[in-house]
Amino acid sequence: SQTIHQWPATLVQPVGSPLSLECTVEGTSNPNLYWYRQAAGRGLQLLFYSVGIGQISSEVPQNLSASRPQDRQFILSSKKLLLSDSGFYLCAWTFGSNSPLHFGNGTRLTVT
Amino acid sequence: DAKTTQPPSMDCAEGRAANLPCNHSTISGNEYVYWYRQIHSQGPQYIIHGLKNNETNEMASLIITEDRKSSTLILPHATLRDTAVYYCIACDLNAGGTSYGKLTFGQGTILTVHP
Repeated sequence: SQTIHQWPATLVQPVGSPLSLECTVEGTSNPNLYWYRQAAGRGLQLLFYSVGIGQISSEVPQNLSASRPQDRQFILSSKKLLLSDSGFYLCAWTFGSNSPLHFGNGTRLTVT
Repeated sequence: DAKTTQPPSMDCAEGRAANLPCNHSTISGNEYVYWYRQIHSQGPQYIIHGLKNNETNEMASLIITEDRKSSTLILPHATLRDTAVYYCIACDLNAGGTSYGKLTFGQGTILTVHP
């Protein structure tokens, strides 16, 4: 069966510091991968998605970037964090078409 | 995505069936109905999805009306661990462009299962 791992679970970073969140999927190959953000009390916002190695599509212009160096690895980065980057970051995968998205347990980021 | 409407909250006794309704009157022919739930501080958990026919898996059953304008998620024997926010989403994940893989979660239904 497929599993998705995200780390770290929680993170507190000062404004202006860099960020790197990692997500890996096991038990499948060539998944579609996604980064979402959930702000407190609000819905999910799609940040990036990837249909293959090196292929990244950005949904929202922002202070973040994403990379997919390997088939089952998806990384979310920032060079300098802003207070507004605080939130709950979720990685998800799917086989594509209309197969459902499966989410990781998320990383709760607090920028101070 | 089609707009969905869910009651803000529901209660259910442990061991009884929980029936969570969802209206999606503007759903288009290519849009599936997906159900997720989210327990505080965890990622959303996929429950079930369907297009036209009723669906059942180890977690729940999904009943979609013939006109597809509404659906009901059924948890047959609710437990305390089923207490969560339940989201109904109607979308075509294969639509391409800005809709590709984009799940839009509304406010959902807060289901509270009581002992």
